Amino acid sequence: AQSVAQPEDQVNVAEGNPLTVKCTYSVSGNPYLFWYVQYPNRGLQFLLKYITGDNLVKGSYGFEAEFNKSQTSFHLKKPSALVSDSALYFCAVRASYNFNKFYFGSGTKLNVKP
Amino acid sequence: EAGVAQSPRYKIIEKRQSVAFWCNPISGHATLYWYQQILGQGPKLLIQFQNNGVVDDSQLPKDRFSAERLKGVDSTLKIQPAKLEDSAVYLCASSSRLLAGDGNEQFFGPGTRLTVL
Repeated sequence: AQSVAQPEDQVNVAEGNPLTVKCTYSVSGNPYLFWYVQYPNRGLQFLLKYITGDNLVKGSYGFEAEFNKSQTSFHLKKPSALVSDSALYFCAVRASYNFNKFYFGSGTKLNVKP
Repeated sequence: EAGVAQSPRYKIIEKRQSVAFWCNPISGHATLYWYQQILGQGPKLLIQFQNNGVVDDSQLPKDRFSAERLKGVDSTLKIQPAKLEDSAVYLCASSSRLLAGDGNEQFFGPGTRLTVL
């Protein structure tokens, strides 16, 4: 069965420091992996995705994510956090052979303090 | 390009009443999804359409929820009758196509926040 785990409900980081939001997944076959961000009272906004190729994927607003097949992880990173990055972040996975569901994690609230 | 449109943005009803939500996907997007997002949780897929056909509705509570996408463009999600536990944000998303091996991302609307009293 496909699933996504985001082990941290909340991540706190000071502005200017690097940030990491963790995601691990379980999927049969090759995974398609996604990160979305959600600001208050807004829908989810696409940040980046891994389909194939280079394990380091760069996305919007300076975010990047590293795909690690052996650890089944797809952690979201940013070298220098901004207060405006404070939001709810969701990891999602879809199996490459299954054209049905996206599976979302439970979300991680990122708090960036000035 | 215009994004995914949803209406209304907010709705408050009493239990046992009916409610309907509307979604207009991005022009040309063949696949449309309805998700339920309960506070503190990730989105849960309710139903997925490919054009005007249902691809997956395994998690749709069919005794009270229904959805349609008659012309393969906009869609309506209905709840009848509503229960207290239906209080959530209902998100609509679309993507350009959905084939096995397709890595296209979904684009989300702003959601409808439903409160059932």
